[in-house]
Order: sequence, then structure tokens, then C-alpha cells
Amino acid sequence: EVQLLESGGGLVQPGGSLRLSCAASGFTFSSYAMSWVRQAPGKGLEWVSAISGSGGSTYYADSVKGRFTISRDNSKNTLYLQMNSLRAEDTAVYYCAKDRSGGYSYGPGPFLWYFDLWGRGTLVTVSS
Amino acid sequence: DIVMTQTPLSSPVTLGQPASISCRSSQSLVHSDGNTYLSWLQQRPGQPPRLLIYKISNRFSGVPDRFSGSGAGTDFTLKISRVEAEDVGVYYCMQATQFPLAFGQGTKLEIK
Repeated sequence: EVQLLESGGGLVQPGGSLRLSCAASGFTFSSYAMSWVRQAPGKGLEWVSAISGSGGSTYYADSVKGRFTISRDNSKNTLYLQMNSLRAEDTAVYYCAKDRSGGYSYGPGPFLWYFDLWGRGTLVTVSS
Repeated sequence: DIVMTQTPLSSPVTLGQPASISCRSSQSLVHSDGNTYLSWLQQRPGQPPRLLIYKISNRFSGVPDRFSGSGAGTDFTLKISRVEAEDVGVYYCMQATQFPLAFGQGTKLEIK
């Protein structure tokens, strides 16, 4: 079955750290770019970060640049998001999403195309 | 950065009637490769988002044909020909032509 399963969310104090994981199955993981997208309680969707299929290229939203690090282990079919210096405004459900593209910075198209598969999300709550 | 603006933000619709959602981008979404990376997502209550339409008008696998997308440049529309109860939820447009990726604010579709 084609699916994404996030884990690692929880309650963390402001300034703390957390690492999210996203286990992929049912497709050739290394062939596709992946992203993290978050949704604050009762709010809309916000793109957080993206990584190429090879893992060699990464991009971040300004709101998390310098604090979050996206990575992947293609041998384990797993995507990660290391979140440091967490703030209350980082409280959200974090979704991993598979893109249709391989994530090529110098390809004929953009790095990302569209998200054709989403996980169910994991909740991160930043509070003292 | 590109800003995506959806209208309306809320759309009460009668079952069996059509619905339409508009999405406008602050810049053209036409990429240098000639494609337009505008997609539509549906988020049912308590569910993750799912892809409905990609590159303006292409229905994703398994999406009913009552959903259709159209538009060009900076103006795009999602139409539902006959709303069914399972269509209740929030609809988002999303652009991937340029970083950072951007979503519209979402349009809540509800049944009258």
C-alpha cells in the first residue's frame, strides 16, 4: 500500500527540540522530492521545507530557516525534520507530503510540482 | 513571494447544485518550462489534505469527474458540477511554480 506515516510529535517547551519522522512505503522513495507542510490549529496550510529525491538539495520557509533541518535516509525510506529552538507559533500538525517530481534544482521544471500523497500528520505542541 | 487569494472563504451550497471557488495569484504562475504548477487540494473534516487537481485542470487518480479546474496566468477556478455530501470540507489552491510554495487561505464548503 502506498502510504506515509509520520511520528515523533508531542509536547515540548519553548526553546526545545524535536525530531519528526515520516516512513514511506509502496513507492520508490528515492525517486521523489518530499516536503513538510504544517497546519496550526484551526488554520490553513503552510509549506515548511522540501528535499530532493537524492537528498542533495533542500529548501526552507523563512519562518523556520536556521532552526529546522530536513533530511532523508533513502535506505530506510524515511524522511526527517529536526526542529530546534521551538516557539509557540510552531505549534501545528506536521504533514509529510510526496511530490510528483524528483526535485531537480536545474531541471526543466520547478523543484516541486504538486503533492500527490500526504500522511495523516503528527501534532507538535510548543508550550510551557 | 507569491500570494494566493481565494474567494469566497465560505461557500454554503445546496446538495446537487454547482459550486465554484476562485484562486488568484499575485504573479503569473507560468513556469519557464511552459507549465503552470497550480493545484487544488481537498481537506475533509479531521482528514489530511488530498490532491484533486494538478497543473490547473488535470484530475488526479480517483477524483470524481464532477470536479474540474480551469484558468491561466493568475486566475484559476475549481468547479464542482453537483455538490454531494462527501464534498464538505476546506479547499485549497497551491502554487509550486516558485519558492516558497504558497497555499490559498482555504475555502470552507458547507451544505445549506
